[in-house]
Parts: sequence; C-alpha cells; structure tokens
Amino acid sequence: SQQGEEDPQALSIQEGENATMNCSYKTSINNLQWYRQNSGRGLVHLILIRSNEREKHSGRLRVTLDTSKKSSSLLITASRAADTASYFCAPAGGKLIFGQGTELSVKP
Amino acid sequence: EAGVAQSPRYKIIEKRQSVAFWCNPISGHATLYWYQQILGQGPKLLIQFQNNGVVDDSQLPKDRFSAERLKGVDSTLKIQPAKLEDSAVYLCASSGRGGGQNEKLFFGSGTQLSVL
Repeated sequence: SQQGEEDPQALSIQEGENATMNCSYKTSINNLQWYRQNSGRGLVHLILIRSNEREKHSGRLRVTLDTSKKSSSLLITASRAADTASYFCAPAGGKLIFGQGTELSVKP
Repeated sequence: EAGVAQSPRYKIIEKRQSVAFWCNPISGHATLYWYQQILGQGPKLLIQFQNNGVVDDSQLPKDRFSAERLKGVDSTLKIQPAKLEDSAVYLCASSGRGGGQNEKLFFGSGTQLSVL
C-alpha cells in the first residue's frame, strides 16, 4: 500500500543528541512529507521532499529520500525537549496516507 | 493567518447516540479532509472534499458516518448511531490551491470523541 511505515516505533534520547527516524513505503510517489504531532494537538507539516530530490534541509531537520529503496529518513540534530512528539511520514502518490508514527521522547 | 478551526474540542456520548463535528478551514483553501485518529495510530482519511464535491470517501463507514461541505467552506461530520469503536480524535485539515499532490496539509487541533 502507499502507507508509510515508520521505524522505530519509539525512540528515547537525551537532549543534544541526534534523532533519526526511518520511513518505508511500497508504491511510487510524487513526494513524501513529514509531520509532527504534539500530544493532544493536530499534525504540523515539517518538510516535503519531491520524488526527484535526494536530500532536503530545514533548520535542524534533514530529510533524505531513496526512491530505489522506497525509503526516507528524518534526522533531527541537536534535539531539544520541545522536540518530544510523534513524527509521521506520508508518502504521496495520489492521496496522502499516514503511517503509525515514531514517538520521540527527548529527555532534558 | 487564522488556522483550521474545529469544534467542539471534546465530546462524550453514549453508544447509539449521534454526534456532529464542525470544521472551518483556512480561508481560500479548496480542499478539506476529515481524518480519524485512534489512540496510538496514525490518522486515517475518512473523506476528502474539493470545494463542495467529494473526491474520496472510500474509507468512510457510510452506514453511520456522513459529511457535508455546503458552499465549499465549512464542513460537518456526523456519526449516527455511534459505536464504542468510534472513540478517537477527529481531525480536520485543509490544503490550498486544489489538493494537488505537492501540497502540504494544515490541521486543526481535533475533536476528541469518547463513546461510553
């Protein structure tokens, strides 16, 4: 299916460390998006990477996309306690379908 | 700019009762989505509107769920009758020019529904 599958399901790190989350999908896509969801809130768009791009940066975020392996990764550098949230990838072929998410906990 | 507005924020009902959720998208956004998010899972698309027409409602349980978007702006999602398994957060989202494949979604804070 087009749905992304995030890995790991949960990640716990110390403030200042880097956090890496992975996403795999099964069908061809036009772009892949990453979203963040703080507890009890809606999702917030973080970054969109198009299928012809291999890497994209936004502040402390770095996203890579490997269409041959149908995978993407999200790297958050120098993490902060405020980065504690669930992170979802959404491969977009026709419609946007979200995976189960990675729950990130950053401890001060 | 104002974000996506949803109400109510919380709703508690008993099974077999009916409930309605309201969403006001970002001004000018043509595409509106309703997602259901069960605890511990990712959001699942229920229905997508383009202006006031339905683009995709393949995962909407049509025997109990209904949605409308009159005049292509506000939208309401209704459940009648509710079941225990409908307990979830109902998220509304909107996107800009036409729900194109390279657009990001803007989400509201959601309505948390508890069915007892």
